[in-house]
Amino acid sequence: GAVVSQHPSWVICKSGTSVKIECRSLDFQATTMFWYRQFPKQSLMLMATSNEGSKATYEQGVEKDKFLINHASLTLSTLTVTSAHPEDSSFYICSARKTGTVYEQYFGPGTRLTVT
Amino acid sequence: AQTVTQSQPEMSVQEAETVTLSCTYDTSESDYYLFWYKQPPSRQMILVIRQEAYKQQNATENRFSVNFQKAAKSFSLKISDSQLGDAAMYFCAYRSAISNSGYALNFGKGTSLLVTP
Repeated sequence: GAVVSQHPSWVICKSGTSVKIECRSLDFQATTMFWYRQFPKQSLMLMATSNEGSKATYEQGVEKDKFLINHASLTLSTLTVTSAHPEDSSFYICSARKTGTVYEQYFGPGTRLTVT
Repeated sequence: AQTVTQSQPEMSVQEAETVTLSCTYDTSESDYYLFWYKQPPSRQMILVIRQEAYKQQNATENRFSVNFQKAAKSFSLKISDSQLGDAAMYFCAYRSAISNSGYALNFGKGTSLLVTP
């Protein structure tokens, strides 16, 4: 149990276009989901925290108009990278905290975004 | 803000031997959680072990154990009887017990572990 999926696993898009990444908790409800960004050989950096039914909380330095996060249900959060540029190329990882728990947090397999 | 420091970018261990990965953190909170995560080449994050700060007893999970020194703010991971499959990036992470952070994880920079036959 406690599986988180991400779709797509790899996406290539052209500069200036938008791309949406989905994060789903498959067998549990997640009131809170987190979006991280990871550059090659670096650590995970928290981008934003999303709570079901409310606006996401973005970390300092993350452009909220560029990285749109929607958490419309207890099992789905989406990250949309708008007007993507090559510097947005990265590995994006979501995680979901199981509703009612403090430390049960499960990670998705990540999405590799390449902007050409 | 809490900071997590992993001072060893790379470590190497021979198969069947023991290795210890270091982690220190800085916080003014008294209640929190500490984690070690493994990230193999597939990049899927895998929870290795968890420690609650209010517990004095060090956590253990099979071949993995921690040395939690709360006063020193140190949280090292010991891997015993190392196996080839242990080769991965290991991240130390901190989580506040205060809900206003949403319980997000704060990661260190990671230690790359190489296991040699």
